[in-house]
Amino acid sequence: AQSVTQPDIHITVSEGASLELRCNYSYGATPYLFWYVQSPGQGLQLLLKYFSGDTLVQGIKGFEAEFKRSQSSFNLRKPSVHWSDAAEYFCAVGASLLNRDDKIIFGKGTRLHILP
Amino acid sequence: EAGVAQSPRYKIIEKRQSVAFWCNPISGHATLYWYQQILGQGPKLLIQFQNNGVVDDSQLPKDRFSAERLKGVDSTLKIQPAKLEDSAVYLCASSSRQGAHEQYFGPGTRLTVT
Repeated sequence: AQSVTQPDIHITVSEGASLELRCNYSYGATPYLFWYVQSPGQGLQLLLKYFSGDTLVQGIKGFEAEFKRSQSSFNLRKPSVHWSDAAEYFCAVGASLLNRDDKIIFGKGTRLHILP
Repeated sequence: EAGVAQSPRYKIIEKRQSVAFWCNPISGHATLYWYQQILGQGPKLLIQFQNNGVVDDSQLPKDRFSAERLKGVDSTLKIQPAKLEDSAVYLCASSSRQGAHEQYFGPGTRLTVT
């Protein structure tokens, strides 16, 4: 079964600085990978996803993520953060697009704090 | 396109009471999920429906939790009787396809059991 680890519970960066949130997954084959963002009091919103092809994936709000098979990682990056990026970020992994029983497994999340 | 709707947004009950949450997915989405998100953790799947049938309820505490999606559209999740450890945000999500496809989430219901 697949699993996902987000090593950092909290990350603090200054507004305008670059950001990288770490995500490591465990799965024997090529996984399907997602990053979601959750603002306070809101549900989760999909930032980006990786299914196949180019390992550098562009998402909404200026985010990107890179799939590195050799490191079992799917880190989220943004070159310059804005105060509105303060939120909780979840990495998620799925095993199959076709198997009706497959589910997406979420990491425990990384809370991003932005310093003015 | 309207998003996933959930109600109520907040609920406070005493332990041993019952509570019900309602979810209306995005129109046309056949797959519906209920997640439990405890503070400081990621969402944990409770139950997955495909139309009005249950695909996966392996992590649903069936002695106290129940869910239904009778007409294959909206869904209700019930807890009876509630325990202190049920305090969490209950998220509903829907997807146009089964499998590991992207899911669209509602705003959630924050439940506090006292």
